[in-house]
Amino acid sequence: QKEVEQDPGPLSVPEGAIVSLNCTYSNSAFQYFMWYRQYSRKGPELLMYTYSSGNKEDGRFTAQVDKSSKYISLFIRDSQPSDSATYLCAMSSVGEKLTFGTGTRLTIIP
Amino acid sequence: GAGVSQTPSNKVTEKGKYVELRCDPISGHTALYWYRQSLGQGPEFLIYFQGTGAADDSGLPNDRFFAVRPEGSVSTLKIQRTERGDSAVYLCASLAGQGTNIQYFGAGTRLSVL
Repeated sequence: QKEVEQDPGPLSVPEGAIVSLNCTYSNSAFQYFMWYRQYSRKGPELLMYTYSSGNKEDGRFTAQVDKSSKYISLFIRDSQPSDSATYLCAMSSVGEKLTFGTGTRLTIIP
Repeated sequence: GAGVSQTPSNKVTEKGKYVELRCDPISGHTALYWYRQSLGQGPEFLIYFQGTGAADDSGLPNDRFFAVRPEGSVSTLKIQRTERGDSAVYLCASLAGQGTNIQYFGAGTRLSVL
């Protein structure tokens, strides 16, 4: 079993819909939780960063971390075609390497 | 520089050849990471530098892979006797600073071993 599990999709939704992306993990030492967005043939771009449990909102994006359930989520409101990309969850312990999910490929249909 | 720079962006080589991949981190970032991303997968950790020394090289798949960072800035990932299975995107990231674990990634080097 992988340390981080992420549904690879692909996921297609109409423009304007709310998108929910999720990851589960098994390592209770993880304290830093991140979501990266990766466009085709580009490097991962940091989207959201959360330390420990809780919610964080930035514009149309909301990240949630539930350490008791070892479950993290990313919500995208009012989705746009430009949001079409692969979304990678990543997590780590203090000062440690990032452990990534496989990535979810998302397409927003105009 | 403005971001993490990786060169070359693409590298095509023949099985058995030696390759070097370069990473130029964000200025002032002391920690540098190498990851490898295979098609349809998330990046996987290879090696981590704190300054000039390799603090964790547990992700290197075998002794054909080696990385250096002689002056604590630019790093080079070296692969000897390349195999077709080494084909992947090699990503470099630098760390914003202690107290966070925010890593900024370069665009990667796409390595194809024929």
